[in-house]
Amino acid sequence: DTGVSQNPRHKITKRGQNVTFRCDPISEHNRLYWYRQTLGQGPEFLTYFQNEAQLEKSRLLSDRFSAERPKGSFSTLEIQRTEQGDSAMYLCASSLEASMNQPQHFGDGTRLSIL
Amino acid sequence: AQKITQTQPGMFVQEKEAVTLDCTYDTSDQSYGLFWYKQPSSGEMIFLIYQGSYDEQNATEGRYSLNFQKARKSANLVISASQLGDSAMYFCAMREGQGTYKYIFGTGTRLKVLA
Repeated sequence: DTGVSQNPRHKITKRGQNVTFRCDPISEHNRLYWYRQTLGQGPEFLTYFQNEAQLEKSRLLSDRFSAERPKGSFSTLEIQRTEQGDSAMYLCASSLEASMNQPQHFGDGTRLSIL
Repeated sequence: AQKITQTQPGMFVQEKEAVTLDCTYDTSDQSYGLFWYKQPSSGEMIFLIYQGSYDEQNATEGRYSLNFQKARKSANLVISASQLGDSAMYFCAMREGQGTYKYIFGTGTRLKVLA
């Protein structure tokens, strides 16, 4: 079990630039989640994939955000035209579909800082 | 709407003592799951313990136990024999019983264990 892997760990960029984050879930997990965590808050749900299908998107996910999970394996989260308010930790989690008691396993997150 | 409330922004505990971290929840679902995660300063979210809404026994995992009071809608985490390594943020999360199984998190409690 290699765990959920996220890259990069840190990203610093200028306002207006585009950024892309990658998440590699645990290999047998078919559910994949993206969350955003701002300072002093708990993570907030952004979007969810079951295999390659994106089945739910939060209202937090503006049109500048897009996520993909081609072939149901790794996932990418892209933010276009970044804004100061996008500065946060972006967390990826994966889980088995099986049952309610299966916990989500989180990666170490990507910390985004907008200058 | 579903909601998780953690009313203790910060807690101190002496090493080797027990500590209780509070969590109350609100949901109209009959089927739901409650999870506790630990987030050290390094950022990763570590799964600690799970309690299902239909579970009659309180969950236990090593030094962690969950004091589940369904009528009061509370799911407090008890850490026994605190260790210095327990110093971290602790998040309570609820998972809805159907659909995406996404988490709703509380705002967390920062625990500091004193030597």
